[in-house]
Amino acid sequence: QVQLQESGPGLVKPSETLSLTCSVSGASIGTDDFYWNWFRQPPGKGLEFMGNIYYNGKTYYNPSLESHFTISLDTSKNQFSLRLNSVTAADTAVYYCARLGHTIDWYYSDFWGQGTLVTVSS
Amino acid sequence: DIQMTQSPSSLSASVGDRVTITCRASQNINTHLNWFQQKSGKAPKLLIFGSSNLHAGVPSRYSGSGTGTDFTLTISSLQFEDFGTYYCQQSYANPYTFGQGTKLDI
Repeated sequence: QVQLQESGPGLVKPSETLSLTCSVSGASIGTDDFYWNWFRQPPGKGLEFMGNIYYNGKTYYNPSLESHFTISLDTSKNQFSLRLNSVTAADTAVYYCARLGHTIDWYYSDFWGQGTLVTVSS
Repeated sequence: DIQMTQSPSSLSASVGDRVTITCRASQNINTHLNWFQQKSGKAPKLLIFGSSNLHAGVPSRYSGSGTGTDFTLTISSLQFEDFGTYYCQQSYANPYTFGQGTKLDI
């Protein structure tokens, strides 16, 4: 069974850098043929896809978002990370990591972390 | 980006009811449509992928249909545990986008 767990600070000051990590068990992020996603959900709002990283390190970032974040892999720890620079109050959200599962025809996020709330406030 | 529009935005129903939620895409997405259920404070849970394929472990009272731009999620006989917010998501083209959600109250 694949399991994901986000970790990171719950509170960040405006203009600082936010780093979140997603620890994965039950799958090898550096070898298994999957994409690894980050989503976020502002309080009381809907889900937003931020971007993902492939097992070979190739990244995709949602161009609809201001591109002040990066996603990276740490295969030695079986983790992937999200780094947001110069955060503002608009980055306050629950952040989720998820695996993008697939069949030959379709893609779908089948395993999710429990989410971590990040508040941007001075 | 492909825009996803769900209706209704909220819905009240009773145990045993048949419930239908609709999702419309702004362009043809074939059958690249997923449905999720989210309960307050919890991560989304995948229900259906590829428009009509039930994810492992999801009760058979859930079903999905549609192709192109119009899709439906049906709960054949509502159970108490089905309350929550339901989201559709297209996986036809990046960035994968979600509908705004349908809040289901029992």
